[in-house]
Formats: sequence, C-alpha cells, structure tokens
Amino acid sequence: GAGVSQSPRYKVAKRGQDVALRCDPISGHVSLFWYQQALGQGPEFLTYFQNEAQLDKSGLPSDRFFAERPEGSVSTLKIQRTQQEDSAVYLCASSPGTASLMNTGELFFGEGSRLTVL
Amino acid sequence: AQSVTQLDSQVPVFEEAPVELRCNYSSSVSVYLFWYVQYPNQGLQLLLKYLSGSTLVKGINGFEAEFNKSQTSFHLRKPSVHISDTAEYFCAVSWGRRALTFGSGTRLQVQP
Repeated sequence: GAGVSQSPRYKVAKRGQDVALRCDPISGHVSLFWYQQALGQGPEFLTYFQNEAQLDKSGLPSDRFFAERPEGSVSTLKIQRTQQEDSAVYLCASSPGTASLMNTGELFFGEGSRLTVL
Repeated sequence: AQSVTQLDSQVPVFEEAPVELRCNYSSSVSVYLFWYVQYPNQGLQLLLKYLSGSTLVKGINGFEAEFNKSQTSFHLRKPSVHISDTAEYFCAVSWGRRALTFGSGTRLQVQP
C-alpha cells in the first residue's frame, strides 16, 4: 500500500490478556517508531527501530511492552497482561531516513490501533 | 526534562478569521520543530517544519509558523481559516537526534 498500515484498527481486551498490534510501514522506510496516544493527549514515544535494530526503547512503560521488527519491515508491538491504563491509541510511524530526522524531518503515520482494556 | 507545551486545548474561531495556535518548548539547544495535523479518523500528517535557516516557515494549506529562539516558541498561524481546517494540531520538537516529543494538542474548531 501507499501508506503506513496498522491492524487491528480496534481491539478490546480483557484485563490480563495479551495483545499484538501490527504495523506495515511504507516500503523501503528505514526508520519505524511506535507512539502511545492516550485520550486527549499528544503521542508519547515508545520505541524506535532502524531497520531490524531496536535502537531506542526508552519510552516503553514497563517490561510488559515488547516490540520487534525481525526483518526490518513489518513491526509488532506486544503488550502482555494488559491493564486498564494501557487503553490508548497506538500509533506507528515510518521515515525514509535515520533517526537524525535531518534529511526529511517527516514521519508518516498510520491511523493507529485503538486498544480498550476492560 | 525536555517538554513541549500547547497552552490552548481548544480554539474556537469563525470561518475566514485569523488564528494562532501557540507552542512553547523547553531548551533551545539544537532543536528541530514541527507541526502535525490530525483530521478526524485519519493519521497525523506534517503541516510544516523548521530545521534551519529562515525563522518563518510556510506549510501546506496556507499555514505558517515562526521560530522564536529567545522565547522558545513556534506558534502556528493562518490569516483566514476554513471549515475544512477543523482538526487537532500537534506541535512536536526533536532535540538533537532523538525521537519527536509532541505537545498535548490543540483542537481547532472552525465555526460558520
């Protein structure tokens, strides 16, 4: 596809369940970011990949959050033992350049996966 | 800690009126500044960016923003808004080579 694709668009989970959110970046994009956007807030950085390497995971809120990009394209964000505070929209973004953002300065965002934990 | 502040959570404005959405950030050392827009049920898209050079930058849809280093601000302006400009606007800052930090957003509501 032409843009960043995320699935599922909506996910309802019971507290304690594990969830997996998928991101298909724009083909050829080197950088991939995950952000968490709580209701009424701006996106907050979770983690960054350059190709298959996870270079920054400083934003992951706990060890229940895990992300991977094994072949440098599709990425999966996994949340184990979900809690109510995990309810948010999870945004994936990709960029053709590296994390310097000096070349293009633009991130291309998907529409997000809305997670609701009951 | 480095932060981005958007003081106005909502800005109501009449169609064809001018608008300014405010953005302030902490620390002016080596910053790159962005405004993103999020239309309902769509992903964020880039409006404009400041990396270096002229402090007045122009973006899509008639928006512009001015980088003010002394005031650590990057306010977004449009001289005449349209109904179609109704959306959520996010200011974002990158310090050095780190990932973008976003503000909490300003909802622009354009009324006829």
